[in-house]
Amino acid sequence: DADVTQTPRNRITKTGKRIMLECSQTKGHDRMYWYRQDPGLGLRLIYYSFDVKDINKGEISDGYSVSRQAQAKFSLSLESAIPNQTALYFCATSVPGGNTGELFFGEGSRLTVL
Amino acid sequence: GQQLNQSPQSMFIQEGEDVSMNCTSSSIFNTWLWYKQDPGEGPVLLIALYKAGELTSNGRLTAQFGITRKDSFLNISASIPSDVGIYFCAGRRRGGSNYKLTFGKGTLLTVNP
Repeated sequence: DADVTQTPRNRITKTGKRIMLECSQTKGHDRMYWYRQDPGLGLRLIYYSFDVKDINKGEISDGYSVSRQAQAKFSLSLESAIPNQTALYFCATSVPGGNTGELFFGEGSRLTVL
Repeated sequence: GQQLNQSPQSMFIQEGEDVSMNCTSSSIFNTWLWYKQDPGEGPVLLIALYKAGELTSNGRLTAQFGITRKDSFLNISASIPSDVGIYFCAGRRRGGSNYKLTFGKGTLLTVNP
């Protein structure tokens, strides 16, 4: 089983709908992240959380919100989805204070907004 | 924000050929990382570099941390079909936590058998 699990893996929705993407991890890591991947644009950070009481905006947080329900769970919400939020979304975790810079990614959630 | 220029954007090669890709930046980084994303999967770390000039190998992969701290390259020797995927470079500045990773836009590698 994957250490970082994302649900749903694929979702098609309509403009204006509320969408939640969920992430759970069994790695025991404190730090969790949400990234967005668009073709030709690489990975861009949406939000990150260093522990349950810590939430921080990334470089492209507008139109998104997050909730850290527990150490192992970090969800991303689109309150009113729009077509340019169509993308592949990744959750990731990391070890606190680690020097390796290694992020552990989930398998991705592909979202299409019509 | 900081920019990493990764090239080439895509490569089409024959099985057995060697591959080279690189990342450059106008900013200094103290850590360079190379990730690979297989089709339908999330990125996985291949190689991490921590010192200027460092040359590190992982099987058929070799990566180097540029002397100026502003660039890095990744070489793949004797490519095989399972090398197909998107390769990302990422840089981290001195004192930065993981949230300060800056990713390149990726190199899409296609290997023809």
